[in-house]
Amino acid sequence: KQEVTQIPAALSVPEGENLVLNCSFTDSAIYNLQWFRQDPGKGLTSLLLIQSSQREQTSGRLNASLDKSSGRSTLYIAASQPGDSATYLCAVSKMGGATNKLIFGTGTLLAVQP
Amino acid sequence: GAVVSQHPSRVICKSGTSVKIECRSLDFQATTMFWYRQFPKQSLMLMATSNEGSKATYEQGVEKDKFLINHASLTLSTLTVTSAHPEDSSFYICSARVPSDNIGPPYNEQFFGPGTRLTVL
Repeated sequence: KQEVTQIPAALSVPEGENLVLNCSFTDSAIYNLQWFRQDPGKGLTSLLLIQSSQREQTSGRLNASLDKSSGRSTLYIAASQPGDSATYLCAVSKMGGATNKLIFGTGTLLAVQP
Repeated sequence: GAVVSQHPSRVICKSGTSVKIECRSLDFQATTMFWYRQFPKQSLMLMATSNEGSKATYEQGVEKDKFLINHASLTLSTLTVTSAHPEDSSFYICSARVPSDNIGPPYNEQFFGPGTRLTVL
């Protein structure tokens, strides 16, 4: 059974700092991995999607890496801003099958202090 | 593109009543939609996979008779919480998967609705 864990559970940093969020998964047979952002009481915003054949994806100040063999992904946020404060979720999509169900991690609550 | 809406955004009901939540893909056709539940300070848990024109596939432990799913068109899936009780109070989020023949986001990327906060008194 696939289990997805995120470390740390919560993180507080001063504005401008670079930071790394970690995601680990137990079954390396994944189709892809997505990073999402969730603001309090809101839905999910997709940040980056990495296919299993890729090693990283970049969007603006965000860079996500994937090491499938070790079951790890990291989300790097450069020059953090107070607007980055949110819960960050990673999710893996199971290999095979048409439904591609997402298994979500436990989330990291990020607070960027001005 | 790839916008998903949910209605209502918030609902408060009495115990024993049924509540219907709608999930719509606004600018694409979604053959597959997913329903998730999120309890406070917890992550999302998949409840069921909704396929257009066929029966939904429920995850283990989710009562199909309590959480009725209908995916009658390529842009609309509904979740009905029947005879709701306080323990059903939660944040319900749907997502829709972009089909593989669409131009734009990669195949099987899911786009999420804004969620529905259900409170059962």
